[in-house]
Amino acid sequence: DAGITQSPRHKVTETGTPVTLRCHQTENHRYMYWYRQDPGHGLRLIHYSYGVKDTDKGEVSDGYSVSRSKTEDFLLTLESATSSQTSVYFCAIRTGTDNYGYTFGSGTRLTVV
Amino acid sequence: QQQVKQSPQSLIVQKGGISIINCAYENTAFDYFPWYQQFPGKGPALLIAIRPDVSEKKEGRFTISFNKSAKQFSLHIMDSQPGDSATYFCAGSYSGGGADGLTFGKGTHLIIQP
Repeated sequence: DAGITQSPRHKVTETGTPVTLRCHQTENHRYMYWYRQDPGHGLRLIHYSYGVKDTDKGEVSDGYSVSRSKTEDFLLTLESATSSQTSVYFCAIRTGTDNYGYTFGSGTRLTVV
Repeated sequence: QQQVKQSPQSLIVQKGGISIINCAYENTAFDYFPWYQQFPGKGPALLIAIRPDVSEKKEGRFTISFNKSAKQFSLHIMDSQPGDSATYFCAGSYSGGGADGLTFGKGTHLIIQP
């Protein structure tokens, strides 16, 4: 494995509460990504980072924020969770030597009730 | 907008048969086309990938066929096995600028019947 871990693996939270998901890598890769996976939608990009403190929005960024204060950690925050944010969240890192390879974490299953 | 269209959504194949999944892309800037395999409860894992300068790539029982003029590519699984039962995603990305990550198709749920 490329040394990427996500935490927590599962979480149930109430509508309106803030939630933070963590992605941690051990190999000092520059690019990190957050995707959400929903039935019938595949994986959609939420936010990505191209370096410490350098982040940008993806396709479905509304309601989410991210932070990257150090290379190894990329945090995804739901400021005020809604039921529509119930999903499986995957972190990915670009690991290929030619910038083509991506490795995914095992995912966080988030349920907003 | 959906930049990568994948079909079929689900597929049932008999053991030993050929599984075929198709994708079409819109963004001509894409220069990398991977296929990911995902088992329940796991993250997607890279299966095989191709760049647009070749028309076919084969790794074991898995083959990607690529048609640049038609903006289409497909995954062929030869001698399909029950262990191949999984969800498969095609994707596209481009290296120029490079930070934007992968754009995925919606996935194909493949079942191989013994």
